[in-house]
Amino acid sequence: EDQVTQSPEALRLQEGESSSLNCSYTVSGLRGLFWYRQDPGKGPEFLFTLYSAGEEKEKERLKATLTKKESFLHITAPKPEDSATYLCAVQAGQAGTALIFGKGTTLSVSS
Amino acid sequence: DGGITQSPKYLFRKEGQNVTLSCEQNLNHDAMYWYRQDPGQGLRLIYYSQIVNDFQKGDIAEGYSVSREKKESFPLTVTSAQKNPTAFYLCASSIRGQQETQYFGPGTRLLVL
Repeated sequence: EDQVTQSPEALRLQEGESSSLNCSYTVSGLRGLFWYRQDPGKGPEFLFTLYSAGEEKEKERLKATLTKKESFLHITAPKPEDSATYLCAVQAGQAGTALIFGKGTTLSVSS
Repeated sequence: DGGITQSPKYLFRKEGQNVTLSCEQNLNHDAMYWYRQDPGQGLRLIYYSQIVNDFQKGDIAEGYSVSREKKESFPLTVTSAQKNPTAFYLCASSIRGQQETQYFGPGTRLLVL
């Protein structure tokens, strides 16, 4: 069965304290791995798509990496405005299939 | 301004009542999706549609129905058969092809009176 597991469930950081969020997956035929940011009461906001092992993408303080079994979202020198829930999802199998989501990591950054 | 709109933002359902959630997109995307989000759980797929007049059940389709009469619109009806409808409902859309990033609307929160 296709599965996505995110860890930790919650992470509390001080402003400027870098860390990483983990997304491990077991799927057959990975088409893409997606990272989203979700603020309370809002829809997920797209961050990155990764398609193959070794791929990396960056946006401001965020960097996403992908291996054959997991993805990391590295947060460098976070600020309070980075506080949110970060969702990982994979698409597997045929084109047009829906995403399989992990439960998310809730990040809190205090000043 | 391109995007996905969902309405209403909040919806209240009485016992035995059917309610319909609206989802519209002007991104010219072929595929549209409905997810349900409950506290402490990942998003779960209700229904999806890859082209007009065609849709498939997701993991938790029981108690829900959809239609796809227009490319831009994918309404979701929560029927009285859905016994636990309180949740945050999210609509998404994507192009079809090699890169199928899904973009989400702002969501509708459904509460039971």
